Amino acid sequence: GAGVSQSPSNKVTEKGKDVELRCDPISGHTALYWYRQSLGQGLEFLIYFQGNSAPDKSGLPSDRFSAERTGGSVSTLTIQRTQQEDSAVYLCASARQGIYEQYFGPGTRLTVT
Amino acid sequence: AQTVTQSQPEMSVQEAETVTLSCTYDTSESDYYLFWYKQPPSRQMILVIRQEAYKQQNATENRFSVNFQKAAKSFSLKISDSQLGDAAMYFCAYRSGTTSGTYKYIFGTGTRLKVLA
Repeated sequence: GAGVSQSPSNKVTEKGKDVELRCDPISGHTALYWYRQSLGQGLEFLIYFQGNSAPDKSGLPSDRFSAERTGGSVSTLTIQRTQQEDSAVYLCASARQGIYEQYFGPGTRLTVT
Repeated sequence: AQTVTQSQPEMSVQEAETVTLSCTYDTSESDYYLFWYKQPPSRQMILVIRQEAYKQQNATENRFSVNFQKAAKSFSLKISDSQLGDAAMYFCAYRSGTTSGTYKYIFGTGTRLKVLA
């Protein structure tokens, strides 16, 4: 079946602009995660959705970052007033409820100029 | 709070040889899961192996095996008969068990593995 997809694969934006990154999880997966991976660094947890529960937003670095998940499926990560330090690869992963294995998407490389 | 530490930024191994990647973690929980993920240059993260903390037996997946030392909070990955396709970044990760009520993962900073022909 289809895996996790993310779009766009690459995004170049000017400092101060808003960007939206999209994640399509595997059908039937109730858990969805967003991570940020800066150059040469590990994965930094951003936010996690689990079914209809309130999302765990504890990893969002500032109020410029927000995410939503519509209909328990597609998720959008929005970064407002982008800064150069936001440049990174943004990875999305999904998982079945109660199952520990995450399936990752290919990521979106964001470059803020 | 839980932490995951990978102290080897980079490792090299000759093709067909064996290499061990180190990972230590810190937690006060007794119920948790540990993982090794592989990220090749394509950026696609792939699960290599997982270990449930309640299991004493070390997990094995073909050429990949772990040495799980719960008391020492150590979780190393051994790759046997290394192949060129094993070259990638390897990340160690921790996830709390179901009793914690959270499914958040914590990742280490990664170890870049180079395989020499």
